Amino acid sequence: ETGVTQSPTHLIKTRGQQVTLRCSSQSGHNTVSWYQQALGQGPQFIFQYYREEENGRGNFPPRFSGLQFPNYSSELNVNALELDDSALYLCASSPGTGNTDTQYFGPGTRLTVL
Amino acid sequence: EDQVTQSPEALRLQEGESSSLNCSYTVSGLRGLFWYRQDPGKGPEFLFTLYSAGEEKEKERLKATLTKKESFLHITAPKPEDSATYLCAVRSFLSGGYNKLIFGAGTRLAVHP
Repeated sequence: ETGVTQSPTHLIKTRGQQVTLRCSSQSGHNTVSWYQQALGQGPQFIFQYYREEENGRGNFPPRFSGLQFPNYSSELNVNALELDDSALYLCASSPGTGNTDTQYFGPGTRLTVL
Repeated sequence: EDQVTQSPEALRLQEGESSSLNCSYTVSGLRGLFWYRQDPGKGPEFLFTLYSAGEEKEKERLKATLTKKESFLHITAPKPEDSATYLCAVRSFLSGGYNKLIFGAGTRLAVHP
């Protein structure tokens, strides 16, 4: 059974640029959640995708957007990058959105904005 | 507002010195409290889920317990390989019945030989 994978591992961008991060969910999982983790902090919820629809969003501006594909893989897009966007971006997949569904995390993408 | 607070921020132990990490939470109707382990630069690794007060779960040297207001992660006779950041999270509901995790800032544990 393959776990959650993310690409790329590391990324360096300059302020104002756009970035796309990718996530492949664990086999059998149809729900993907994205989190941002700043250094020394816990992960902060960005949004969640279930069956290709965004079904929940945290306190992040519209320049953070996403997609989920029919195979349940997902992308996180960030436009007009700011210095504060530098963080570890985590993708988590779960079998569904129910009370007993555990979220399993990928290794993350480290984004540095200069 | 749903909230999670972890203490201490950092903990240094000698190998074999048992201790506990604390997670205090405020949530509208608990539907799961989670413990994850995170190594530097890596994604969180799932450890436990607890659902109701009085519940306990164990894995090797780790034992998680839950009350109505807090959870403890007890580490018995730790080894250097237990060094990591331990994250606590609660499931919080979004509109439409879907849910997200709200995390604490974590406890950084260092176990020295």
